[in-house]
Parts: sequence; C-alpha cells; structure tokens
Amino acid sequence: DTEVTQTPKHLVMGMTNKKSLKCEQHMGHRAMYWYKQKAKKPPELMFVYSYEKLSINESVPSRFSPECPNSSLLNLHLHALQPEDSALYLCASSLGTAPYEQYFGPGTRLTVT
Amino acid sequence: SQQGEEDPQALSIQEGENATMNCSYKTSINNLQWYRQNSGRGLVHLILIRSNEREKHSGRLRVTLDTSKKSSSLLITASRAADTASYFCATDAFRTNAGKSTFGDGTTLTVKP
Repeated sequence: DTEVTQTPKHLVMGMTNKKSLKCEQHMGHRAMYWYKQKAKKPPELMFVYSYEKLSINESVPSRFSPECPNSSLLNLHLHALQPEDSALYLCASSLGTAPYEQYFGPGTRLTVT
Repeated sequence: SQQGEEDPQALSIQEGENATMNCSYKTSINNLQWYRQNSGRGLVHLILIRSNEREKHSGRLRVTLDTSKKSSSLLITASRAADTASYFCATDAFRTNAGKSTFGDGTTLTVKP
C-alpha cells in the first residue's frame, strides 16, 4: 500500500465552525507533513511530525492545531478560520525526514465562508 | 522570498517534443527534488538528486544539478499529453531542520496532442 488518504475531499465551513482534516498512511513512514496550497502557488509547509512528535511548526496561527495520534494518522483541527484560509490542504508522509521522498495525499479542498 | 524559483512559469509544446524546466535557489542545499502535480491534485515525486550528484535519469526524465550556479534542470523527453501538469522543485536547505522542504513557484507544462 503506497497511498496516503485524506478525508474529506471537500469541506465548506463557517468562520465559527470546528472541523478536522484527517490523513492516513500504512507505509510505515515515520514522518508526516501538512502543507497549505493556494491556487497557482506552490505548497507551503505548515507542520512536520517525526516519530509522532511535532518537529516543525512554521509559525502557523493557533486556529490550526495538528495532532498525530499514532504513526499512521495525522489530523488537522480547524477552529475560527478566516476566508483567507481557504485552500487545498495536502498531507504527505516519508520514511523519515529529509532526504527521503514525500508521498502526498490528494488533498482536502477547504472553503471558509 | 522562495528558496526555489522556476523558469519558465508556463511552457506549451507539441507531443513528442522535449520540455526543459529550470529551478534556481538561493542557499546551499542538501538535496533537491522534483515533483509533478496534476490540476488540483496531490504531488507525485519524480526524482531526488543529492548535492554531490550532477545528473540523474529516470525513464524519460533527466535532472541535472549545478551547485556552483545554484540551479537544476528537469528535462522530459518525447513528451506526451499525459505529461501536462505543474512541475515543482523542492530544496532541503543546508543546516535547516530535517523535513523542511521549500517548493519553487512551479512550471505549468501543457503538452498538445
């Protein structure tokens, strides 16, 4: 199984809602990542988990809260988002941190109204 | 600004032609990777080249790295309509946190049948 799955595929939420994005991999990878990608822009790194511990937080606002319950799962909890947070949220995993290739999920298209 | 910048921003060719994309970066790197992204989807890893390597091949793909010029190129030979996608370089800068890949702005390739 060389797949990273993400749910949901699409999410529309109001600015007062609380929602979560989920990511799962069963490749035995020990590093997992969240990226944010706006239209026609490159992915921007948000968080990196290495061996289930948060190793990189790219100064992301606290309305985004990551969680790694186990080595296969990665969540991104969303609360009080702003319309400018609308984007494609990509999850990725790799065997370890650099220099390993990252495997990306298909993404969650988030719209904040 | 972004660690990686790509050139050209957009490229349109006929099927069967070769496509060349360039990536420049600003600081010393440990390795450089190329990814492909079909419209609105997750990224697919193409090739990883380490800072001590000059050239790598994978099928119809050829990647070169010139650390003295801080640049890399991706050549796709005998292009196909299915190669239509955005292509990103990603760098792991020297002496940064492991797992922190910075993506270039990307080149949008259109291959006309």
